[in-house]
Amino acid sequence: DAKTTQPPSMDCAEGRAANLPCNHSTISGNEYVYWYRQIHSQGPQYIIHGLKNNETNEMASLIITEDRKSSTLILPHATLRDTAVYYCIVREGGGSNYKLTFGKGTLLTVNP
Amino acid sequence: DGGITQSPKYLFRKEGQNVTLSCEQNLNHDAMYWYRQDPGQGLRLIYYSQIVNDFQKGDIAEGYSVSREKKESFPLTVTSAQKNPTAFYLCASSITGYNYGYTFGSGTRLTVV
Repeated sequence: DAKTTQPPSMDCAEGRAANLPCNHSTISGNEYVYWYRQIHSQGPQYIIHGLKNNETNEMASLIITEDRKSSTLILPHATLRDTAVYYCIVREGGGSNYKLTFGKGTLLTVNP
Repeated sequence: DGGITQSPKYLFRKEGQNVTLSCEQNLNHDAMYWYRQDPGQGLRLIYYSQIVNDFQKGDIAEGYSVSREKKESFPLTVTSAQKNPTAFYLCASSITGYNYGYTFGSGTRLTVV
């Protein structure tokens, strides 16, 4: 699976959009981009995933660049409860390998 | 409600004792996983299972053992051979064959004294 690079920490003001970047320059054509978040001392929570098109759900939007070498997770109106570690993961879809490899992620702190 | 249940939430054991962490899911997921997390670190895969009666080692399997006798259950035993067992342990499950994400349990914090 391709490796990802994320900034170790970011700050965001409450009510503003939080834009979390992820670099995955070695991603291959059949690898998906997944985002999870982990609030302190809890299990990670699935947010969103995508292959090449931009995706949106009730939690966030995922913007993937045309060359697929990077992506951005957008939380449109961050709240204090969005303070968490956000993990960007790439993984081959389908096949027999369903393992996800979690790096250290980005600690997003939403400030009042 | 469907989900994954890990028990207990906190566990204390003396050094040299084996301990078993419970993980049960009622999501009808085929695949189950165990991860370990140390303070300030990401998650590291210990073992995973894609089908009953079959499991594979992850990146840090030494000192751990698992069983998968039922689809719903994937217990993890931390043996005395694990040099640094104190950690936060997370269990997850997923559907195989699709690009769905994992569902995680709330974790068990194991402290060995």
